[in-house]
Amino acid sequence: TQLLEQSPQFLSIQEGENLTVYCNSSSVFSSLQWYRQEPGEGPVLLVTVVTGGEVKKLKRLTFQFGDARKDSSLHITAAQPGDTGLYLCAGGDYQLIWGAGTKLIIKP
Amino acid sequence: NAGVTQTPKFRVLKTGQSMTLLCAQDMNHEYMYWYRQDPGMGLRLIHYSVGEGTTAKGEVPDGYNVSRLKKQNFLLGLESAAPSQTSVYFCASSYRRATQETQYFGPGTRLLVL
Repeated sequence: TQLLEQSPQFLSIQEGENLTVYCNSSSVFSSLQWYRQEPGEGPVLLVTVVTGGEVKKLKRLTFQFGDARKDSSLHITAAQPGDTGLYLCAGGDYQLIWGAGTKLIIKP
Repeated sequence: NAGVTQTPKFRVLKTGQSMTLLCAQDMNHEYMYWYRQDPGMGLRLIHYSVGEGTTAKGEVPDGYNVSRLKKQNFLLGLESAAPSQTSVYFCASSYRRATQETQYFGPGTRLLVL
């Protein structure tokens, strides 16, 4: 059974700081997706990574897929209050498996 | 273009009552999904549909039924609600299989079963 573990579960930092959150598995995934969910709303796709070692950038967010395609990371540079939310990773070959998420709070 | 809409937004049920959650999408997507989200557990797939008239079980289907009579609508039914079904329910749709394509989510339905 494929599982995705996200760490940390919760992170609260000051505006302007950098941070990295992780999505790990013992299984190989053909691709991984990252979503952001704001309170009271559904998740919204940020990025999909498909190639081992791939790095994708979305403004201040940098996503990396591990060489072995078992893990991924999300790095935020100079975090802003608008980055606050629940960050979810998801992957799977037929049905998506979801991590439990990292709840991120950026304090002004 | 409303995307994915869900009805109702919030509902309180007593144990044993039944209800239907409605999901509608206006993007002409083939695939539709019902998830539940519980604290610390991420999203879990209840049922999904790969096209009008077809449905399939997901990871946690027990206690739920679904129907997809029209391409744009996906209904989730609870025949006899239990407190364990207290959760936030999300509907999503995608043009192709979710592992290869963006899923678009509705705003969720918050259900409390007393």
